[in-house]
Amino acid sequence: DGGITQSPKYLFRKEGQNVTLSCEQNLNHDAMYWYRQDPGQGLRLIYYSQIVNDFQKGDIAEGYSVSREKKESFPLTVTSAQKNPTAFYLCASTVTGGNTIYFGEGSWLTVV
Amino acid sequence: GENVEQHPSTLSVQEGDSAVIKCTYSDSASNYFPWYKQELGKRPQLIIDIRSNVGEKKDQRIAVTLNKTAKHFSLHITETQPEDSAVYFCAATSWQAGTALIFGKGTTLSVSS
Repeated sequence: DGGITQSPKYLFRKEGQNVTLSCEQNLNHDAMYWYRQDPGQGLRLIYYSQIVNDFQKGDIAEGYSVSREKKESFPLTVTSAQKNPTAFYLCASTVTGGNTIYFGEGSWLTVV
Repeated sequence: GENVEQHPSTLSVQEGDSAVIKCTYSDSASNYFPWYKQELGKRPQLIIDIRSNVGEKKDQRIAVTLNKTAKHFSLHITETQPEDSAVYFCAATSWQAGTALIFGKGTTLSVSS
């Protein structure tokens, strides 16, 4: 778990702003993921990436964008098109083909 | 794509009792089924997992069973303790298909002493 770093831990967004959440891993994992968690709810998949320069939409990709220019980095941008972005965001990674998925500590995003 | 249903959403037990949480999945290609425990404001932590070539796995007070035919799997916690109180999530995926881990909506377990 300690090999995945998310920042910032807390972030406030004004209406109409884009914000970017950082996710860096030093585990040499191929696959990386972004999940959104609302209070009292489960984890919903936003985007995931199996290899560099490739990513796929999850169940709730609308209003979000990602990039995977480096193996160790998978930033998530919450755009102004995401009308209800207040949530807890979790980044995760794993070795492609199986084994444990590791989570970062999460980022809390609040709209003000 | 995969869909995971989890029941119950809340579960209250007395200390020392057993707790059982059940999940069903829709994709017959899924072959990896982990369970996570999440405390308030923290990241999920893996507590046990099972692969499709195994019917049951045990780790001290925690066990997971898998019924591939019925496409359901369950978490069993015996001799519950107050520190077991948390939210538990089941998940499913097919790693070979390159799909992501899909989670159930979670079960809030409360263990009272």
